[in-house]
Amino acid sequence: DSGVTQTPKHLITATGQRVTLRCSPRSGDLSVYWYQQSLDQGLQFLIQYYNGEERAKGNILERFSAQQFPDLHSELNLSSLELGDSALYFCASSVGKEKQFFGPGTRLTVL
Amino acid sequence: KNEVEQSPQNLTAQEGEFITINCSYSVGISALHWLQQHPGGGIVSLFMLSSGKKKHGRLIATINIQEKHSSLHITASHPRDSAVYICAVRSRGSQGNLIFGKGTKLSVKP
Repeated sequence: DSGVTQTPKHLITATGQRVTLRCSPRSGDLSVYWYQQSLDQGLQFLIQYYNGEERAKGNILERFSAQQFPDLHSELNLSSLELGDSALYFCASSVGKEKQFFGPGTRLTVL
Repeated sequence: KNEVEQSPQNLTAQEGEFITINCSYSVGISALHWLQQHPGGGIVSLFMLSSGKKKHGRLIATINIQEKHSSLHITASHPRDSAVYICAVRSRGSQGNLIFGKGTKLSVKP
């Protein structure tokens, strides 16, 4: 158990819908990262927050947004969903730039 | 060309064999990570390296910064080592986010 929790574990939804994925980092970790893992693209970095502020942005679509709240949990919002958004979404946390601890992931299926 | 390349893509070994997985990268880095992903999907961080060598149990990770190359070795392999092993780098100047290789799928037969 990494200490990072993600909910929900599985999510099935339809094209055009909007979903919210939630991540609670390990106690004391200020950095939260979101990653997407699809069959064709592998793991890709989406976005990073540090202590409530956006720190870095990767290959995140404009239809996707995220935030980190004062209690350090983070949410990833995916809207106008397309079939190609089906993937595993991982959250990871770390103390600064140190070793990252990954959550169990949320498997999103868009039908 | 991907910034992080792994070889081999797939590897089948007999229990007890010594295994090596290689990772080459083309960017300047401040750290390299080796991750393990089990069939259930969960990802575990095995090592974070910026130089030299690290050992944990039967796992050894090495890095050669000048050659931009890292290796992950598994000694006395066991079927429970079957997983996808992923190399990831933190590029110099980044805030901590990682660039990933495509992974090496290891299957260890009893």
